[in-house]
Amino acid sequence: DVKVTQSSRYLVKRTGEKVFLECVQDMDHENMFWYRQDPGLGLRLIYFSYDVKMKEKGDIPEGYSVSREKKERFSLILESASTNQTSMYLCASSLSWGASYQPQHFGDGTRLSIL
Amino acid sequence: GQQLNQSPQSMFIQEGEDVSMNCTSSSIFNTWLWYKQDPGEGPVLLIALYKAGELTSNGRLTAQFGITRKDSFLNISASIPSDVGIYFCAGHIGNTPLVFGKGTRLSVIA
Repeated sequence: DVKVTQSSRYLVKRTGEKVFLECVQDMDHENMFWYRQDPGLGLRLIYFSYDVKMKEKGDIPEGYSVSREKKERFSLILESASTNQTSMYLCASSLSWGASYQPQHFGDGTRLSIL
Repeated sequence: GQQLNQSPQSMFIQEGEDVSMNCTSSSIFNTWLWYKQDPGEGPVLLIALYKAGELTSNGRLTAQFGITRKDSFLNISASIPSDVGIYFCAGHIGNTPLVFGKGTRLSVIA
């Protein structure tokens, strides 16, 4: 089974801090994704990566950056955390899109609170 | 970004009842997916549909890929308490990320 592991289930940080959320997958997937989930808004894509050192903006990249130095690891960075970034953050991975679509597999999420 | 229209937003049903939810789009997709998210967990894939008109079952769950490629349906038969959660539809086309619906929150009353 695919395993997507997020480093923390719960995290509390202060406004202005630099925050790192880590995600590791063990299935040699090319694609990795970061979403945030807020009540009533569903899943919103922040950034994704289709290869090492490659990154693409999603729908809501403002205030975030990402890093993918190794294939199995995709980090989400909040450069200067603000209270409106309090949310559930979900990481996902999938094989490359190629000729047929490969579904995404999600981690269990990190519930981040910014005080 | 593009979004899917998923309905209903929430449902309260009695245990044993059947459930139907659907997703529509203004544009076509080549793949439709249905995920379930249990409280405090990440979404888990339930069913993947790859062909227009396809009808696929997974236990008590049945999903269909609409013939127009712009919609999909998920049915749950004889609901049980562990069916509680948020159900998401998602569509995919080309070399682009999934497009998600906003979810249907299902509550089952025993």
